[in-house]
Amino acid sequence: AQSVTQLDSQVPVFEEAPVELRCNYSSSVSVYLFWYVQYPNQGLQLLLKYLSGSTLVKGINGFEAEFNKSQTSFHLRKPSVHISDTAEYFCAVTDSGAGSYQLTFGKGTKLSVIP
Amino acid sequence: SQTIHQWPATLVQPVGSPLSLECTVEGTSNPNLYWYRQAAGRGLQLLFYSVGIGQISSEVPQNLSASRPQDRQFILSSKKLLLSDSGFYLCAWSGQDSYEQYFGPGTRLTVT
Repeated sequence: AQSVTQLDSQVPVFEEAPVELRCNYSSSVSVYLFWYVQYPNQGLQLLLKYLSGSTLVKGINGFEAEFNKSQTSFHLRKPSVHISDTAEYFCAVTDSGAGSYQLTFGKGTKLSVIP
Repeated sequence: SQTIHQWPATLVQPVGSPLSLECTVEGTSNPNLYWYRQAAGRGLQLLFYSVGIGQISSEVPQNLSASRPQDRQFILSSKKLLLSDSGFYLCAWSGQDSYEQYFGPGTRLTVT
């Protein structure tokens, strides 16, 4: 079974600075990868996804992520953060050939943008 | 477009009382449906998923149950709540041949 590690539980960053949120998954088999964002007391919103093709994936709100198969990573980046990016971010993975549509989620990274 | 609804938004219940949380999806047919629980600092825990009416798979043994009486309706229930059932409950759906899951707004349950 897959597992997902989000190494940083909390990341403080100043407004307009770049940020990287790290995500590593356990298996090197063919996978699909996702990043979700959760604002306080709300559901999760899909930021971006990697299913196939280019390893650099662009999502909403200026975020992007890079799939690195050899390092089993899918780190999320944004070149300049805004106060409104303060939220919790979840990485998720599923085995593309497993026949199951279940996602395995990491424990989340809380991003705090400091004015 | 597709939308997903959950109610109630918040709920405070005493220990030992029953529970019923409802989730409905609009704008799609025959979705896969999921119930998750989110506890502080523990990420999302998949509780149940369903690929069709009356088809429920349980991921975690507990005093909760789920039912899918209609194609786009998913219900989470309990006969007797425990303190440990407190948390944020999220419903999600995905297309039959799709991996992306789309989440509802959630229900905050506090068991007192």
